[in-house]
Amino acid sequence: DVKVTQSSRYLVKRTGEKVFLECVQDMDHENMFWYRQDPGLGLRLIYFSYDVKMKEKGDIPEGYSVSREKKERFSLILESASTNQTSMYLCASSLLWESSYNEQFFGPGTRLTVL
Amino acid sequence: DQQVKQNSPSLSVQEGRISILNCDYTNSMFDYFLWYKKYPAEGPTFLISISSIKDKNEDGRFTVFLNKSAKHLSLHIVPSQPGDSAVYFCAASAGNYGQNFVFGPGTRLSVLP
Repeated sequence: DVKVTQSSRYLVKRTGEKVFLECVQDMDHENMFWYRQDPGLGLRLIYFSYDVKMKEKGDIPEGYSVSREKKERFSLILESASTNQTSMYLCASSLLWESSYNEQFFGPGTRLTVL
Repeated sequence: DQQVKQNSPSLSVQEGRISILNCDYTNSMFDYFLWYKKYPAEGPTFLISISSIKDKNEDGRFTVFLNKSAKHLSLHIVPSQPGDSAVYFCAASAGNYGQNFVFGPGTRLSVLP
């Protein structure tokens, strides 16, 4: 069974704080993703990574950065948290097979509130 | 502008009846589509997928239909069960086995006993 875990289920931070969200997967997946989920907007891709130390911007990367030092771990960093970054953050992983599509497996999410 | 739309934010269905969830897309390059289900306080879980070379895919109570000319797909759940109550997301991806999916805003399904 694929397992994707996120370091916190709930997090409350203050405006201007640096925030780290950690994600770990145990199935040796090459791809890892960070999304945010907001009502009426669905899941929007922030960043993804297809290999260690590789990263690609998604649709809404502004205000975020990522780090992937190990294959199983993908971190999302909010350099200076703002109230408009209050959201549900979801991490996902998938295999990288270049001859087929592969569904993404999601973690349980971190609900971040920025005051 | 959203490339994947789910125009019904919510849907209520009686237990045992059919649930039909709709999804429309604007990008004609999309060639692979998935449905995810999400319960509160959990991450989305994969439900069913369809490639653009097909117009129907079935898995137990779940069937997905794809109408490429209309850029429309639908998920049918028959018969609906109370445990199907969740938010359903439609997702799409474009060519070259792209690893990224564009998600719709979701439809909250409530199956009433």
